[in-house]
Amino acid sequence: GEDVEQSLFLSVREGDSSVINCTYTDSSSTYLYWYKQEPGAGLQLLTYIFSNMDMKQDQRLTVLLNKKDKHLSLRIADTQTGDSAIYFCAEIKVRTGGYNKLIFGAGTRLAVHP
Amino acid sequence: DTEVTQTPKHLVMGMTNKKSLKCEQHMGHRAMYWYKQKAKKPPELMFVYSYEKLSINESVPSRFSPECPNSSLLNLHLHALQPEDSALYLCASSAQEKLFFGSGTQLSVL
Repeated sequence: GEDVEQSLFLSVREGDSSVINCTYTDSSSTYLYWYKQEPGAGLQLLTYIFSNMDMKQDQRLTVLLNKKDKHLSLRIADTQTGDSAIYFCAEIKVRTGGYNKLIFGAGTRLAVHP
Repeated sequence: DTEVTQTPKHLVMGMTNKKSLKCEQHMGHRAMYWYKQKAKKPPELMFVYSYEKLSINESVPSRFSPECPNSSLLNLHLHALQPEDSALYLCASSAQEKLFFGSGTQLSVL
């Protein structure tokens, strides 16, 4: 299909780990991304992974990539209330020397409760 | 510095008005983008400029007119908009594999 798919909502308790999942469409996508959007704000690039990697860790964030299943996940360790936001998965559809065309998933709303 | 600056942050306009959204980056990025985001939806690509030339127009209505005066600036000129054009308009710029977004202009068309 043409869509990048994500579950729409995730609720976790403060201090627990959060795992947000994404299924992308194009096995030849070279880069896959996770963006965070807080209410009324723009998109913040959280992390990204190159397709020849299986895992990337950056402080509390761990990205796992399963190319065979076209599955991407973002794990947030020790989730805090400040992590409450919408998380978008994105893949590159077109990458030229001049620009990148990204396709976004619908976004997963993460709610962190005490 | 990974900052993309957009002005204004909020804009209310009537259907007969002409207004412009502005975007600026000083990271030396040669690709700049306009996205439109409706509430509770992902961003949708509108336009891409690469090396100050329009590279992608995603079949956007002519009431939206982009302009790239130089490599640091990107404008979006608005004329005769409809209420359904109310949305968050996001500017972005990129270098290599990273795409950075501004905080957006929240546009309301009355």
